[in-house]
Amino acid sequence: KAGVTQTPRYLIKTRGQQVTLSCSPISGHRSVSWYQQTPGQGLQFLFEYFSETQRNKGNFPGRFSGRQFSNSRSEMNVSTLELGDSALYLCASSPLSTGRNTEAFFGQGTRLTVV
Amino acid sequence: GQQVMQIPQYQHVQEGEDFTTYCNSSTTLSNIQWYKQRPGGHPVFLIQLVKSGEVKKQKRLTFQFGEAKKNSSLHITATQTTDVGTYFCAAPNAGGTSYGKLTFGQGTILTVHP
Repeated sequence: KAGVTQTPRYLIKTRGQQVTLSCSPISGHRSVSWYQQTPGQGLQFLFEYFSETQRNKGNFPGRFSGRQFSNSRSEMNVSTLELGDSALYLCASSPLSTGRNTEAFFGQGTRLTVV
Repeated sequence: GQQVMQIPQYQHVQEGEDFTTYCNSSTTLSNIQWYKQRPGGHPVFLIQLVKSGEVKKQKRLTFQFGEAKKNSSLHITATQTTDVGTYFCAAPNAGGTSYGKLTFGQGTILTVHP
């Protein structure tokens, strides 16, 4: 079974630009969560999607948004990039059919650098 | 919001020594999960603890969940260089819906000197 796939792996953007990151979950997994990882703040939850609906959202500004498609693939978008948005963005998928937390399967992440 | 405190932040050991990392929550947890992230890698699920006082072992790794379900620990016996990485505890969102959100501890970075 293929794992969680994130594209691109690396990205360099300029302040003020916007960026879209993609995540393909494990086949059959309907829940996709996004996390931001930085050395200072650690792993922080951005949002979670299940069956194309955002069910949960972390404490990030509105510049951070996401969506999920009918095939469970997900994208996250960051608009008006700031230097502080430089981070490793991790996507995780899980079955979560009942709402109970189960293990999260993480992708390799997208390393975003804002210059 | 929910916070999970993890200590120590760093741990340097000689190969063969033991290692322990601790997690504490101010609220009672429904369960706690542990992940390992190798340098340059992504978090990989190790285990989930659900029951009060639960102890689980995976070879040289021993995981414990406190009786009050507010703390947990991971102990590695006789560390090896392959144990190098960051170990995270993670707890599901407290209260309300627990959909997809894990609150991670800050992680313990383990280095092992051969």
